[in-house]
Amino acid sequence: EIVLTQSPGTLSLSPGERATLSCRASQSVRSNYLTWHQQKPGQAPRLLIYGASSRATGIPDRFSGSGSGTDFTLTISRLEPEDFAVYYCQQYGSSPYTFGQGTKLQI
Amino acid sequence: QVQLQESGPGLVKPSGTLALTCTVSGDSITSNNWWSWVRQPPGKGLEWIGEMHHSGNTNDNPSLKSRLTMSVDKSKNEFSLKLSSVTAADTAVYYCAAASGKRLNNWGQGTLVTVSP
Repeated sequence: EIVLTQSPGTLSLSPGERATLSCRASQSVRSNYLTWHQQKPGQAPRLLIYGASSRATGIPDRFSGSGSGTDFTLTISRLEPEDFAVYYCQQYGSSPYTFGQGTKLQI
Repeated sequence: QVQLQESGPGLVKPSGTLALTCTVSGDSITSNNWWSWVRQPPGKGLEWIGEMHHSGNTNDNPSLKSRLTMSVDKSKNEFSLKLSSVTAADTAVYYCAAASGKRLNNWGQGTLVTVSP
């Protein structure tokens, strides 16, 4: 099973700033099959990024994903108030398709 | 746009069986999506439970495998989850989701299942 470790656990920033979230895998993620999901309180997660770097439909271009192999990054270029949430990475290259423990992005 | 809605009992007794159904609209259950389940204990992170294709192929989390049954009902355009021998550790919000190319594109709103006497 691939273990995903996200850092930091909590990130405190202000609107307009740049956010950089990290996801490290215990072994290489096949074909960079890695997603990023955003979850707000009381809501279901929402897909932001798939294939490590492709934005899902309707996702603003301030969200970008990068990385390959075992190291992946989600970058939010200029934080909007609605971006403060919990972010999870998930690998879907090898079953079981594991999630990271999440990064809470707070003001 | 695929829409999913979970349904089932919100309270299950310890040692009982948790049974949930996910009704799919906006797509056929016989499409190439993989129909998936994810859970989230209160205040904690996401745990992938498993997925099923309408062909009958499944993938599941080894930590739950011996207790897990997934099925698809083509006539009702829905899929189901059964988890047996539940304990308090199975208390969680359970989400169903549609996975296109194995990525979780669309999620249901989630349903809280509490395991308690």
